[in-house]
Amino acid sequence: KNQVEQSPQSLIILEGKNCTLQCNYTVSPFSNLRWYKQDTGRGPVSLTIMTFSENTKSNGRYTATLDADTKQSSLHITASQLSDSASYICVVSMDSNYQLIWGAGTKLIIKP
Amino acid sequence: DTGVSQNPRHKITKRGQNVTFRCDPISEHNRLYWYRQTLGQGPEFLTYFQNEAQLEKSRLLSDRFSAERPKGSFSTLEIQRTEQGDSAMYLCASSWTGKLFFGSGTQLSVL
Repeated sequence: KNQVEQSPQSLIILEGKNCTLQCNYTVSPFSNLRWYKQDTGRGPVSLTIMTFSENTKSNGRYTATLDADTKQSSLHITASQLSDSASYICVVSMDSNYQLIWGAGTKLIIKP
Repeated sequence: DTGVSQNPRHKITKRGQNVTFRCDPISEHNRLYWYRQTLGQGPEFLTYFQNEAQLEKSRLLSDRFSAERPKGSFSTLEIQRTEQGDSAMYLCASSWTGKLFFGSGTQLSVL
């Protein structure tokens, strides 16, 4: 069964600290892996998109990694800010934009 | 604002009523998608348009749901005879190549 599992389900850290979110997937065929940030009551916003051949991709303080052999990805957030409080969703694309397998997300709370 | 626009932002309706949502995609995007999202879950794909053609529909899209994209521009999603289980956030997204841009969604509450 195609699925994406994320951990932890929720995470609370202090402002300024770093954190890493995990994503494991069993999806075939694999086209690319995406990380989205979703603020409460808003639509998801794309952070990174990685294809099979990419190991790392950065977007400001966000760095995503992909290990296609173990089918694992991580999203590392450096020097967290209060505005980073959101849900972070890992998504694997099978072939096209309508064939996306979404994780349930990690709810991140940054405390001052 | 040149992003994806959805209206209304919130809709409260009584069970059995019909509702219609509108999505205005980014102007040069030829692909438009509708998703449904419930609390604590990722979005679920509903349907997809390339220009004005509806190319894919999820099994989740019962016969009470219909979507249109006349002239390949804005799109509407209509739910007939709403049920309490239809309560969710309805998200629209558009794309040109690969990257999806989402609107802020329409939050539907069916009483």
